[in-house]
Amino acid sequence: EAGVTQFPSHSVIEKGQTVTLRCDPISGHDNLYWYRRVMGKEIKFLLHFVKESKQDESGMPNNRFLAERTGGTYSTLKVQPAELEDSGVYFCASSPLGQRYEQYFGPGTRLTVT
Amino acid sequence: ELKVEQNPLFLSMQEGKNYTIYCNYSTTSDRLYWYRQDPGKSLESLFVLLSNGAVKQEGRLMASLDTKARLSTLHITAAVHDLSATYFCACLPAGGTSYGKLTFGQGTILTVHP
Repeated sequence: EAGVTQFPSHSVIEKGQTVTLRCDPISGHDNLYWYRRVMGKEIKFLLHFVKESKQDESGMPNNRFLAERTGGTYSTLKVQPAELEDSGVYFCASSPLGQRYEQYFGPGTRLTVT
Repeated sequence: ELKVEQNPLFLSMQEGKNYTIYCNYSTTSDRLYWYRQDPGKSLESLFVLLSNGAVKQEGRLMASLDTKARLSTLHITAAVHDLSATYFCACLPAGGTSYGKLTFGQGTILTVHP
Protein backbone atom coordinates (compact mmCIF):
# COMPACT_ATOMS: atom_id res chain seq x y z
CA GLU A 1 0.00 0.00 0.00
CA ALA A 2 1.38 3.39 -0.98
CA GLY A 3 2.00 5.86 1.81
CA VAL A 4 1.23 9.55 1.87
CA THR A 5 2.92 11.27 -1.04
CA GLN A 6 3.70 14.94 -1.52
CA PHE A 7 4.72 16.91 -4.54
CA PRO A 8 7.04 18.60 -5.17
CA SER A 9 9.69 17.48 -2.74
CA HIS A 10 11.40 20.84 -2.98
CA SER A 11 10.32 24.20 -4.38
CA VAL A 12 12.31 27.40 -4.67
CA ILE A 13 10.36 30.52 -5.59
CA GLU A 14 10.80 34.25 -5.36
CA LYS A 15 8.92 36.45 -2.96
CA GLY A 16 5.60 37.44 -4.45
CA GLN A 17 5.21 34.33 -6.58
CA THR A 18 2.61 31.63 -6.16
CA VAL A 19 3.26 28.03 -5.23
CA THR A 20 0.92 25.07 -5.00
CA LEU A 21 1.78 22.05 -2.91
CA ARG A 22 0.03 18.76 -3.37
CA CYS A 23 -0.68 15.91 -0.99
CA ASP A 24 -2.04 12.49 -1.88
CA PRO A 25 -3.23 10.69 1.25
CA ILE A 26 -3.31 6.96 1.73
CA SER A 27 -6.16 5.56 -0.31
CA GLY A 28 -9.38 5.49 1.69
CA HIS A 29 -8.21 7.93 4.35
CA ASP A 30 -10.85 10.59 4.82
CA ASN A 31 -8.89 12.64 7.34
CA LEU A 32 -6.17 14.80 5.86
CA TYR A 33 -3.96 17.19 7.83
CA TRP A 34 -1.45 19.86 6.87
CA TYR A 35 1.41 20.87 9.14
CA ARG A 36 4.50 22.98 8.61
CA ARG A 37 7.86 23.44 10.23
CA VAL A 38 9.37 26.88 9.83
CA MET A 39 13.08 27.59 10.35
CA GLY A 40 13.85 24.64 12.61
CA LYS A 41 11.04 25.43 15.01
CA GLU A 42 8.31 23.07 16.08
CA ILE A 43 5.99 21.44 13.58
CA LYS A 44 2.71 23.36 13.65
CA PHE A 45 -0.76 22.30 12.66
CA LEU A 46 -2.32 24.19 9.77
CA LEU A 47 -5.62 22.53 9.04
CA HIS A 48 -7.65 19.35 8.96
CA PHE A 49 -9.99 18.06 6.25
CA VAL A 50 -12.62 15.42 6.67
CA LYS A 51 -13.29 14.30 3.14
CA GLU A 52 -13.71 17.57 1.26
CA SER A 53 -14.78 19.66 4.26
CA LYS A 54 -12.51 21.77 6.42
CA GLN A 55 -12.92 20.48 9.97
CA ASP A 56 -10.41 22.77 11.61
CA GLU A 57 -8.42 25.54 9.95
CA SER A 58 -7.34 27.28 13.12
CA GLY A 59 -3.66 26.98 12.26
CA MET A 60 -3.75 28.72 8.89
CA PRO A 61 -1.46 31.72 9.31
CA ASN A 62 -3.25 34.21 7.06
CA ASN A 63 -5.35 34.57 3.94
CA ARG A 64 -2.39 34.08 1.63
CA PHE A 65 -2.82 30.37 2.27
CA LEU A 66 -5.62 28.47 0.55
CA ALA A 67 -6.19 24.77 1.04
CA GLU A 68 -8.56 22.68 -1.02
CA ARG A 69 -9.58 19.08 -1.23
CA THR A 70 -12.00 18.75 -4.08
CA GLY A 71 -13.60 15.32 -4.27
CA GLY A 72 -12.17 14.33 -0.93
CA THR A 73 -9.06 12.73 -2.38
CA TYR A 74 -5.87 14.72 -2.85
CA SER A 75 -5.37 18.14 -1.36
CA THR A 76 -3.57 21.25 -2.50
CA LEU A 77 -2.13 24.08 -0.45
CA LYS A 78 -1.60 27.29 -2.36
CA VAL A 79 0.50 30.16 -1.08
CA GLN A 80 -0.18 33.43 -2.89
CA PRO A 81 1.78 35.66 -2.78
CA ALA A 82 4.63 33.89 -1.02
CA GLU A 83 6.63 35.76 1.60
CA LEU A 84 10.09 35.00 3.00
CA GLU A 85 8.65 33.77 6.29
CA ASP A 86 6.71 31.05 4.45
CA SER A 87 9.91 29.11 3.92
CA GLY A 88 9.89 25.80 5.68
CA VAL A 89 8.83 22.20 5.34
CA TYR A 90 5.15 21.47 4.75
CA PHE A 91 3.96 18.07 5.90
CA CYS A 92 0.78 16.28 5.06
CA ALA A 93 -0.71 13.43 7.09
CA SER A 94 -3.77 11.23 6.75
CA SER A 95 -5.83 8.85 8.85
CA PRO A 96 -9.00 6.79 8.36
CA LEU A 97 -12.39 8.30 9.15
CA GLY A 98 -13.21 8.20 12.85
CA GLN A 99 -9.64 7.48 13.74
CA ARG A 100 -7.52 10.40 14.84
CA TYR A 101 -4.91 8.61 16.86
CA GLU A 102 -2.62 7.36 14.14
CA GLN A 103 -1.67 9.91 11.54
CA TYR A 104 0.56 8.77 8.70
CA PHE A 105 2.93 11.45 7.50
CA GLY A 106 4.28 12.22 4.08
CA PRO A 107 7.92 13.16 3.45
CA GLY A 108 7.15 16.86 3.28
CA THR A 109 7.71 19.60 0.73
CA ARG A 110 10.59 21.93 1.43
CA LEU A 111 9.60 25.43 0.35
CA THR A 112 12.26 28.10 -0.02
CA VAL A 113 11.16 31.66 -0.72
CA THR A 114 13.99 33.98 -1.82
CA GLU B 1 -3.67 26.07 24.70
CA LEU B 2 -1.55 22.96 24.68
CA LYS B 3 2.19 23.61 24.56
CA VAL B 4 4.94 21.03 24.25
CA GLU B 5 8.57 21.59 25.13
CA GLN B 6 11.48 19.29 24.46
CA ASN B 7 14.98 19.38 25.79
CA PRO B 8 17.67 19.26 24.87
CA LEU B 9 17.27 20.60 21.34
CA PHE B 10 20.70 19.35 20.32
CA LEU B 11 22.32 16.21 21.61
CA SER B 12 25.74 14.99 20.63
CA MET B 13 26.40 11.53 22.00
CA GLN B 14 29.24 9.14 21.94
CA GLU B 15 28.54 5.61 20.82
CA GLY B 16 27.81 3.33 23.73
CA LYS B 17 26.58 6.06 26.05
CA ASN B 18 23.13 6.56 27.53
CA TYR B 19 21.02 9.68 27.46
CA THR B 20 17.46 10.94 27.92
CA ILE B 21 15.33 13.38 25.97
CA TYR B 22 12.60 15.13 27.94
CA CYS B 23 9.18 16.25 26.79
CA ASN B 24 6.95 18.45 28.93
CA TYR B 25 3.40 19.38 27.98
CA SER B 26 1.19 22.03 29.48
CA THR B 27 -2.35 20.62 29.66
CA THR B 28 -4.19 17.33 29.69
CA SER B 29 -3.42 15.25 26.67
CA ASP B 30 -5.07 12.14 25.26
CA ARG B 31 -1.92 10.61 23.90
CA LEU B 32 1.80 11.24 23.73
CA TYR B 33 3.74 10.34 20.63
CA TRP B 34 7.40 10.01 19.80
CA TYR B 35 8.49 10.33 16.19
CA ARG B 36 11.76 9.98 14.43
CA GLN B 37 12.69 11.89 11.30
CA ASP B 38 15.66 11.22 9.06
CA PRO B 39 16.67 14.03 6.69
CA GLY B 40 14.23 14.32 3.79
CA LYS B 41 12.07 11.49 5.08
CA SER B 42 8.63 11.15 6.64
CA LEU B 43 7.98 11.28 10.33
CA GLU B 44 8.19 7.72 11.59
CA SER B 45 6.04 6.86 14.59
CA LEU B 46 8.13 5.26 17.32
CA PHE B 47 5.85 5.09 20.35
CA VAL B 48 2.34 5.99 21.41
CA LEU B 49 1.82 6.34 25.15
CA LEU B 50 -1.69 6.34 26.53
CA SER B 51 -1.77 6.22 30.29
CA ASN B 52 0.14 7.21 33.37
CA GLY B 53 3.11 4.98 33.97
CA ALA B 54 3.12 3.62 30.43
CA VAL B 55 6.50 2.35 29.32
CA LYS B 56 7.36 1.09 25.87
CA GLN B 57 10.64 -0.21 24.53
CA GLU B 58 11.97 -0.91 21.08
CA GLY B 59 15.59 -1.84 20.72
CA ARG B 60 17.77 0.80 22.32
CA LEU B 61 14.90 3.24 22.82
CA MET B 62 12.52 3.32 25.75
CA ALA B 63 9.72 5.82 26.25
CA SER B 64 7.76 6.51 29.41
CA LEU B 65 4.89 8.73 30.44
CA ASP B 66 4.05 10.46 33.72
CA THR B 67 0.69 12.17 33.23
CA LYS B 68 0.73 13.74 36.68
CA ALA B 69 3.99 15.52 35.95
CA ARG B 70 2.97 15.99 32.30
CA LEU B 71 6.33 14.56 31.33
CA SER B 72 7.50 11.96 28.88
CA THR B 73 11.03 10.73 28.45
CA LEU B 74 12.81 8.99 25.60
CA HIS B 75 15.78 7.08 26.95
CA ILE B 76 18.57 5.97 24.67
CA THR B 77 20.68 3.05 25.80
CA ALA B 78 24.15 2.33 24.40
CA ALA B 79 23.74 4.68 21.46
CA VAL B 80 24.78 3.63 17.97
CA HIS B 81 25.31 5.78 14.88
CA ASP B 82 22.07 4.56 13.28
CA LEU B 83 20.11 6.40 15.95
CA SER B 84 21.27 9.76 14.59
CA ALA B 85 18.09 11.61 13.56
CA THR B 86 15.67 14.28 14.76
CA TYR B 87 13.24 13.13 17.45
CA PHE B 88 9.92 14.81 18.09
CA CYS B 89 7.39 14.36 20.81
CA ALA B 90 3.80 15.36 20.15
CA CYS B 91 0.52 15.44 22.04
CA LEU B 92 -3.06 15.05 21.02
CA PRO B 93 -5.42 17.23 23.08
CA ALA B 94 -8.02 15.56 25.25
CA GLY B 95 -11.34 15.94 23.43
CA GLY B 96 -12.68 19.29 22.37
CA THR B 97 -12.82 20.59 18.86
CA SER B 98 -9.13 20.05 18.10
CA TYR B 99 -9.93 16.60 16.84
CA GLY B 100 -6.70 15.68 15.15
CA LYS B 101 -4.51 18.62 15.98
CA LEU B 102 -1.17 17.22 17.03
CA THR B 103 0.98 19.66 18.96
CA PHE B 104 4.70 19.06 18.55
CA GLY B 105 7.78 19.87 20.52
CA GLN B 106 10.68 21.65 18.84
CA GLY B 107 12.53 18.45 18.04
CA THR B 108 15.83 17.11 19.32
CA ILE B 109 18.65 16.69 16.82
CA LEU B 110 20.58 13.65 17.94
CA THR B 111 24.05 12.98 16.60
CA VAL B 112 25.87 9.84 17.65
CA HIS B 113 29.58 9.79 16.93
CA PRO B 114 32.32 7.21 17.51
